Amino acid sequence: AQSVTQLDSQVPVFEEAPVELRCNYSSSVSVYLFWYVQYPNQGLQLLLKYLSGSTLVKGINGFEAEFNKSQTSFHLRKPSVHISDTAEYFCAVRRGSLSGGYNKLIFGAGTRLAVHP
Amino acid sequence: GAVVSQHPSWVICKSGTSVKIECRSLDFQATTMFWYRQFPKQSLMLMATSNEGSKATYEQGVEKDKFLINHASLTLSTLTVTSAHPEDSSFYICSARMAGGYTEAFFGQGTRLTVV
Repeated sequence: AQSVTQLDSQVPVFEEAPVELRCNYSSSVSVYLFWYVQYPNQGLQLLLKYLSGSTLVKGINGFEAEFNKSQTSFHLRKPSVHISDTAEYFCAVRRGSLSGGYNKLIFGAGTRLAVHP
Repeated sequence: GAVVSQHPSWVICKSGTSVKIECRSLDFQATTMFWYRQFPKQSLMLMATSNEGSKATYEQGVEKDKFLINHASLTLSTLTVTSAHPEDSSFYICSARMAGGYTEAFFGQGTRLTVV
């Protein structure tokens, strides 16, 4: 079975500072990895995803993440955050499928990013 | 593209009544839809997976008679919370995906249910 651990429940940071949100996963099979953002009382928006290929993945809003297979990590980074980045961020994993079937998403507990002026 | 819309965005109902939440894929055909429940400051918990035209598959511990899911068309799935109680108050989120193994699921904006 797959599992996801988001190491920080809250990350406070000042505006224009860099930020890293940590995510580790556990799986005995290949996986696809995702980061989602959730603003208050809203659904989830996909920031970026890793399916295969280059381990550095660039997403929307200036975010990027690096897949590290040896460390089973998929940390999310942004070099300079804005007030508007304040939100809940979820890391998720989905078991890969050679047959093309769809396996369900497993979410981490979430990290609350609070950007202060 | 790939917009998923939930209705209503929030609803208040009396204990003992039933409430229906709709999830629509606006610009694509959703062969599979997922229903999640999210408690305050917690992650999403998958409740069930529904495929168009067939019965939903519920996750362990989710009462299928309590949470009725219907996926009658390729653009609409509904979740009905029957005989709602205050402990059913939560944020419910749906997601939908197109056919094809590597396509992603897109999320609705969520429905805040409060049972009084």
